Amino acid sequence: QSVLTQPPSVSGAPGQRVTISCTGSSSNIGAGYDVHWYQQLPGTAPKLLISGNDNRPSGVPDRFSGSKSGTSASLAITGLQAEDEAQYYCQSYDNSLSGSGVFGTGTTVTVL
Amino acid sequence: VQLVESGGGLIQPGGSLRISCAASGFIVSNNYMTWVRQAPGKGLEWVSIIYSGGRTYYADSVKGRFTISRDKSTNTLYLQMNSLRGEDTAVYYCARENEGGALDVWGQGAMVTVSS
Repeated sequence: QSVLTQPPSVSGAPGQRVTISCTGSSSNIGAGYDVHWYQQLPGTAPKLLISGNDNRPSGVPDRFSGSKSGTSASLAITGLQAEDEAQYYCQSYDNSLSGSGVFGTGTTVTVL
Repeated sequence: VQLVESGGGLIQPGGSLRISCAASGFIVSNNYMTWVRQAPGKGLEWVSIIYSGGRTYYADSVKGRFTISRDKSTNTLYLQMNSLRGEDTAVYYCARENEGGALDVWGQGAMVTVSS
């Protein structure tokens, strides 16, 4: 059971902008821990998309951007493309759990 | 820079299995290394981490049953899984954690199926 909540699905037409929210609490995002985002294409391993709230690793298109405020974070995809159809997960740490990394519930992005 | 998992398979409930994650291009023992799993059709679940200094942590769902370890001589990460249950059925990924806490290198995954 994840402590980071994401919408199950979002959709948009090619070229549109979509956003995915990641809602946490005072023991994870609200405690100041960084949020990272991953893209998972069907049948493949997750790939790091956004690191440290708003940093794009080398090779990630600038269509992807991240932000964080309070107990939530967001991933935005501008100029949506067919190849962006995938599952997206946020990730952070939670100081109420042993360890401990935590993932969001995951969001399916569909390009209409 | 690459991670390659091996050792997955079909195991009966209550059994044990060890999966491996061979690294190339970087030194496992100098990094924080994690295991993440994904049950069929489900989301990602953080399982365990080993710090460069050797400290280990586990998710409550596997604590006392799973053990994370590493071998410097072979540059390999391991996950020993005991007392396996049906709910442990998943693809298990190893991943490297970078300085910012993000998982920047992932293996291809090893499927573990617990069933009689």
